[in-house]
Amino acid sequence: GENVEQHPSTLSVQEGDSAVIKCTYSDSASNYFPWYKQELGKGPQLIIDIRSNVGEKKDQRIAVTLNKTAKHFSLHITETQPEDSAVYFCAASTNNNDMRFGAGTRLTVKP
Amino acid sequence: EAGVAQSPRYKIIEKRQSVAFWCNPISGHATLYWYQQILGQGPKLLIQFQNNGVVDDSQLPKDRFSAERLKGVDSTLKIQPAKLEDSAVYLCASSLSQASGNTIYFGEGSWLTVV
Repeated sequence: GENVEQHPSTLSVQEGDSAVIKCTYSDSASNYFPWYKQELGKGPQLIIDIRSNVGEKKDQRIAVTLNKTAKHFSLHITETQPEDSAVYFCAASTNNNDMRFGAGTRLTVKP
Repeated sequence: EAGVAQSPRYKIIEKRQSVAFWCNPISGHATLYWYQQILGQGPKLLIQFQNNGVVDDSQLPKDRFSAERLKGVDSTLKIQPAKLEDSAVYLCASSLSQASGNTIYFGEGSWLTVV
């Protein structure tokens, strides 16, 4: 089955700096790669996603890149703000939308 | 639009007891998922339903876990008997269909502590 690895497990940045989180996947049949943000006591919420026919996608301060050949994808957050502090998960799924998640990255943005 | 509803939010039971969690997905969503999230880890898919049929239950510990979605709407996840290692958040989620790329929406989770 699909195996998704995520790095780093924790990340601390100063407000205004950029944050980058990286993931790799194992199943070449995976074709959809969402990123979720989870705040304490809540369920994960989708923040951005990318499909396998696209190399990069941007939404305001958030961008995601995908390298299908290397089977890795990354989340980039620019101009970080304290409210960006949360746990971020990458995920990958195949045609059945059978989402497999990475272990998560705890991002802390220091004011 | 109402989100994914789950109950109870919190449950504490002793090992070897049983527990059941209920989920009502977003209206019109055909696909329903149960995930287990152990503290400090990512969600792990336990079971995926398409309407009232099981799509994937390969990671469900079937000796103690069971789930059903009899009428293709709400769903129940049961654990019997519970073990200490079952302490986790049980997340229910739903999507419009099982086609790739359909956004999966999560509920707030049911927190289980087994003592």
